Amino acid sequence: GAVVSQHPSRVICKSGTSVKIECRSLDFQATTMFWYRQFPKQSLMLMATSNEGSKATYEQGVEKDKFLINHASLTLSTLTVTSAHPEDSSFYICSASGGTGYNSPLHFGNGTRLTVT
Amino acid sequence: QQQVKQSPQSLIVQKGGISIINCAYENTAFDYFPWYQQFPGKGPALLIAIRPDVSEKKEGRFTISFNKSAKQFSLHIMDSQPGDSATYFCAAYNYGQNFVFGPGTRLSVLP
Repeated sequence: GAVVSQHPSRVICKSGTSVKIECRSLDFQATTMFWYRQFPKQSLMLMATSNEGSKATYEQGVEKDKFLINHASLTLSTLTVTSAHPEDSSFYICSASGGTGYNSPLHFGNGTRLTVT
Repeated sequence: QQQVKQSPQSLIVQKGGISIINCAYENTAFDYFPWYQQFPGKGPALLIAIRPDVSEKKEGRFTISFNKSAKQFSLHIMDSQPGDSATYFCAAYNYGQNFVFGPGTRLSVLP
């Protein structure tokens, strides 16, 4: 089946630094990728939608200058958390779709546990 | 209208029993209804999905029942096993739009 690889799986950084998370579709071209944030025991909260070659669309309340998203190719999207603070500590998950429609289900990466100290 | 409701919030089932998780939606434009299984520290994995033109889909021990008129769908896990213990999310999708996820159900299957 379709595989989405997310890296790193865990990262610890100091407050004020930036962290980059990569999301790759390994065996399909992902025209659309999604970035989610998940708090403990809660559902996935969509942060932004990125389309290859265009600017990401951010959900209401998500700071686009803080969470920089780049989708430079059909197999790679990156999320950079800039000037991270402890409240940014969370589980970040990416997902990818090969398109829209029934034959393009959403496939998720294994998530990145970010801890900001 | 974009909300997907899911119940129960948590579920405890004995090994070999049937686990049933229910979801309801409002937006009739949704046309794809997947279920995802998530283990702690992992991303959600697609488990099974259904389109609104069928009332039931079965894959192994997992069955989706879909009631279009009631705008409800449910996941049935037959012969539940301890390895099924995870969080389950239902979702609804509107062609060309984003997936909307339910709040999740934490399933615990006791040995």
